[in-house]
Amino acid sequence: GAGVSQSPRYKVAKRGQDVALRCDPISGHVSLFWYQQALGQGPEFLTYFQNEAQLDKSGLPSDRFFAERPEGSVSTLKIQRTQQEDSAVYLCASSLLGIGNEQFFGPGTRLTVL
Amino acid sequence: QKEVEQNSGPLSVPEGAIASLNCTYSDRVSQSFFWYRQYSGKSPELIMSIYSNGDKEDGRFTAQLNKASQYVSLLIRDSQPSDSATYLCAVRANNAGNMLTFGGGTRLMVKP
Repeated sequence: GAGVSQSPRYKVAKRGQDVALRCDPISGHVSLFWYQQALGQGPEFLTYFQNEAQLDKSGLPSDRFFAERPEGSVSTLKIQRTQQEDSAVYLCASSLLGIGNEQFFGPGTRLTVL
Repeated sequence: QKEVEQNSGPLSVPEGAIASLNCTYSDRVSQSFFWYRQYSGKSPELIMSIYSNGDKEDGRFTAQLNKASQYVSLLIRDSQPSDSATYLCAVRANNAGNMLTFGGGTRLMVKP
């Protein structure tokens, strides 16, 4: 596909359940980012991959959040023991490598924790 | 103080007018600046990037950057109702990896 794809688009979880969110970046994009967007706010950085290496995970809010990109392409964001405060839209973005390169976002996964 | 500040709005302009959206940032080492448009329930869509002081024009959009004053703005000429959306300002510092820091967004309403 031409753009970043994410699945599922919507996820409802009961508090305490584990969830896994998938991101498929634009072909050839080395850099992959995860952001969290709460309602009415701008996206907030979670973590960054360059190929399969996770170079920055400073934005992950707790050790319940884990991300991987084992083959340098598709990435998975996993949230263990979900809490209500995890409810948000999780956005994935990808870019070419380089300081000025622009990030393109996927459609996001809206997570609702009941 | 947030690192990237935007007036949340809503900014209401009549159709055909110029909409002016402003953004200030606190980190002086910031080097790359982006404007994203986000329609309700959709993901951010990149509309402009700017890296050096001055103006950059693309169709009806003009981005303006002033690093000395630490602000970046977006002008939308001949505003259309379809421009009604939230506009997000994003900043990247060279020494902060490649992450973007976003403002809270300004909601723009263009009235027919």
